[in-house]
Amino acid sequence: EIVLTQSPGTLSLSPGERATLSCRASQSVSSTYLVWYQQKPGQAPRLLIYGASNRATGIPDRFSGSGSGTDFTLTISRLEPEDFAVYYCQQYGSSVYTFGQGTKVEIK
Amino acid sequence: QVQLQESGPGLVKPSETLSLICSVSGGSISSYYWSWTRQSPGKGLQWIGYVYYTGSTNYNPSLKSRLTISVDTSKNQFSLKLSSVTAADTAVYYCARDHWELLGGKEYYYGMDVWGQGTTVTVS
Repeated sequence: EIVLTQSPGTLSLSPGERATLSCRASQSVSSTYLVWYQQKPGQAPRLLIYGASNRATGIPDRFSGSGSGTDFTLTISRLEPEDFAVYYCQQYGSSVYTFGQGTKVEIK
Repeated sequence: QVQLQESGPGLVKPSETLSLICSVSGGSISSYYWSWTRQSPGKGLQWIGYVYYTGSTNYNPSLKSRLTISVDTSKNQFSLKLSSVTAADTAVYYCARDHWELLGGKEYYYGMDVWGQGTTVTVS
């Protein structure tokens, strides 16, 4: 099973700042199968990025994804108030999905 | 647009079977994979398993021995049964559309793009 480790655990930033979230895999992951979600308290996860770098329908262009192999990044270029949430990466490999443990982006 | 709604008992006794249904509205259950994911209180997300509209399944190995996921295309529903539950199975259970496409002989994964709002199941 591929383990995804997200860092940092918590990111304290102010609105307007840039957020950089990391997702590192225990072994190589195909970019095709790397996804990012956003989750707010009491809500279901929301798909942000698929295929490591493709924005899902309706996702603002301040969200971008990059990376390959074992290192992937989600960047929020300028934080809006509604972006403060928990972010999860997810991968599909060896017929199993795994999620990272999440990064919380909180207001500083 | 497609909407998903989980339903089932909110309280299950230890050693019994947890049963949930996910109803799909606004679109057909055909041609897609459908997943269950859960989130224990204050914790992250754990994928449980998925079912294709044809009935083929794929389960998380850690739950496989206790798990059955099935689909009923006539009702546009899919379901989850988890047997021999313990307190560790207490969680919010989400159903989701799991979007895969086969293009030019290659599989593309578009993520879990539609989610239900989740249902809380307590084992006690």
